Formats: sequence, structure tokens, C-alpha cells
Amino acid sequence: GENVEQHPSTLSVQEGDSAVIKCTYSDSASNYFPWYKQELGKGPQLIIDIRSNVGEKKDQRIAVTLNKTAKHFSLHITETQPEDSAVYFCAASLNYGGSQGNLIFGKGTKLSVKP
Amino acid sequence: NAGVMQNPRHLVRRRGQEARLRCSPMKGHSHVYWYRQLPEEGLKFMVYLQKENIIDESGMPKERFSAEFPKEGPSILRIQQVVRGDSAAYFCASSPGIWNEQFFGPGTRLTVL
Repeated sequence: GENVEQHPSTLSVQEGDSAVIKCTYSDSASNYFPWYKQELGKGPQLIIDIRSNVGEKKDQRIAVTLNKTAKHFSLHITETQPEDSAVYFCAASLNYGGSQGNLIFGKGTKLSVKP
Repeated sequence: NAGVMQNPRHLVRRRGQEARLRCSPMKGHSHVYWYRQLPEEGLKFMVYLQKENIIDESGMPKERFSAEFPKEGPSILRIQQVVRGDSAAYFCASSPGIWNEQFFGPGTRLTVL
């Protein structure tokens, strides 16, 4: 089955710097890759996602890149702000055919943005 | 448009008791997924349901755990005879379709004494 590895487990940056979180997946058939932000005591919030027919997607300060050959995808946050501090999770899913679409999550990256 | 709702937000049970966790999906969503999150860990898939049907329960422990999503009312995750190892945060997510985005609720934090 699918396995998702996420690095780093913790990341500390200065306000205004960029942050990059990387994930690798094992099942080459996976074709949907969402990123979630989880604040303390809350549920995961979908912040951006990408499908395998696209190599990059941007939404304001957030971007995601996908390398299908290498089976890895990354989250890029530019001009970080203290409110970006949270735990970020990547996930992978198989979204076609007989699959059910359940998400396989990485173990998370705790991002701290220092003012 | 209200998001995914879960209740209770916090639940304390003694070993051997039953826990019932409820999830009301977003309006218009007929697909519900349940995930479990242990401390300092990612979320693990448990079960996927559509109205009145369990579609995939491959992530659910074989004993003591069950789930339903009736025609009317919320989806329910039921844990019988809870043990300390069941202590975790349980999240449900809803989706309008099988291959659409999943939106998560705030979770139920279960503590077993």
C-alpha cells in the first residue's frame, strides 16, 4: 500500500523567510496530493492541493510542486508570518478506478515562525 | 454554509465503557471518512461511508469498532469496551464525491481513564 514520508519534522524560520516542506510517496499510481494545516486543538484545514496532471500550483504565498518521476511533492510558503505557525501535513491518494479516495498522511511538520 | 460538525469535542470514558462519536457532514456532502490521530502522529484512515453503506473499513480495528451513516442523521463511530490505547483524536471528513476534496471537522478528543 501507499506510504508517505514527510521532512523535516520541525522547521523554524524567521518572519519573512521562506519555508519548504517535502514529502515522498511510494505508490506511483497515486494522483492526488493535498496539504493540510492544523492548528493546536483544531481539525486539519485544506490549504492547497495538486493533481498528477499538473506540475505546480500557486495560491498567493503558498505553492506546491510535484515531481511524478521522483515521486515527491513539496509545499513552499513565502514571506512567512507568525500566523503560519502550525503543523502541516501532506497526504496522497488514489483518485480513480476502484479506489475509495482515502488519504494517506505524512507524520507532519511543526512550523514555527519567529517574529 | 456550516462546516463539518463533530460532537462531543471532548469525551472521557473509563475502561470498558462505550464511546459514541458523531459527525455531521457539510451540506450537500454524502461521503464521510473517519480518521484517528495519535499524539505527535499523522492521521490514519479508519473507514469510509456513504449514506447507509460502509464502502471501505480496511483501516478499522476488527473488534470493538463500528461505524454507520444512516439515511437520516449524523455518521456515528462507536467504540465498545474502550481501552487506554483508544485515547486519541478522532476526525471525520466529508466530501461531495468520492474523488473530491475532503474537509475535516474539529475532531473529538477521546480520553480513556
